[in-house]
Amino acid sequence: NAGVTQTPKFQVLKTGQSMTLQCAQDMNHEYMSWYRQDPGMGLRLIHYSVGAGITDQGEVPNGYNVSRSTTEDFPLRLLSAAPSQTSVYFCASSGGTASYNEQFFGPGTRLTVL
Amino acid sequence: AQSVTQPDIHITVSEGASLELRCNYSYGATPYLFWYVQSPGQGLQLLLKYFSGDTLVQGIKGFEAEFKRSQSSFNLRKPSVHWSDAAEYFCAVAARAGTALIFGKGTTLSVSS
Repeated sequence: NAGVTQTPKFQVLKTGQSMTLQCAQDMNHEYMSWYRQDPGMGLRLIHYSVGAGITDQGEVPNGYNVSRSTTEDFPLRLLSAAPSQTSVYFCASSGGTASYNEQFFGPGTRLTVL
Repeated sequence: AQSVTQPDIHITVSEGASLELRCNYSYGATPYLFWYVQSPGQGLQLLLKYFSGDTLVQGIKGFEAEFKRSQSSFNLRKPSVHWSDAAEYFCAVAARAGTALIFGKGTTLSVSS
């Protein structure tokens, strides 16, 4: 199993550009989520999904869109990037009665918006 | 609303000394509790978790944590710290299975020789 994979690892955008951060998992997990990590702020939930076709907002959803067309993939879209979205983004997944909310994290995407 | 407080932003411990990282949560019922560790430039690795049962939980790398309902705490401990333990540590809580994790702001651990 590859676990949770994220692409790209690094990205630099200009203000106003759009892009999609990719996230995929091969563990057949129902639950997937996106967090952003900023210095001194810990991880904050952006959006999450409890299954294909179902998404919901987290703590800091503004400026981001998500969709969940398959169990495996959960892309995060930045519609019009802003410098405030400079951050490290982590995707996570969890599932199965034995693991409850044990979330498995991807390696992260470091995004810089100029 | 749920919340997690890690009162210590930065802690320095001598190698071989004991360690305790504090975590307090705010939630009405017994939540699901987690400790994660993040080395510089890396992702997050789960150290241990608590759902129910024995309030002293053993994790990987020699870490343990104790759930104290009366104090709404879930402190992380290690009897003897190694230089490789230097990292950032996050406490997290979830209300129930299938809900999102709420993270504390983290505690950075430095290990001095």
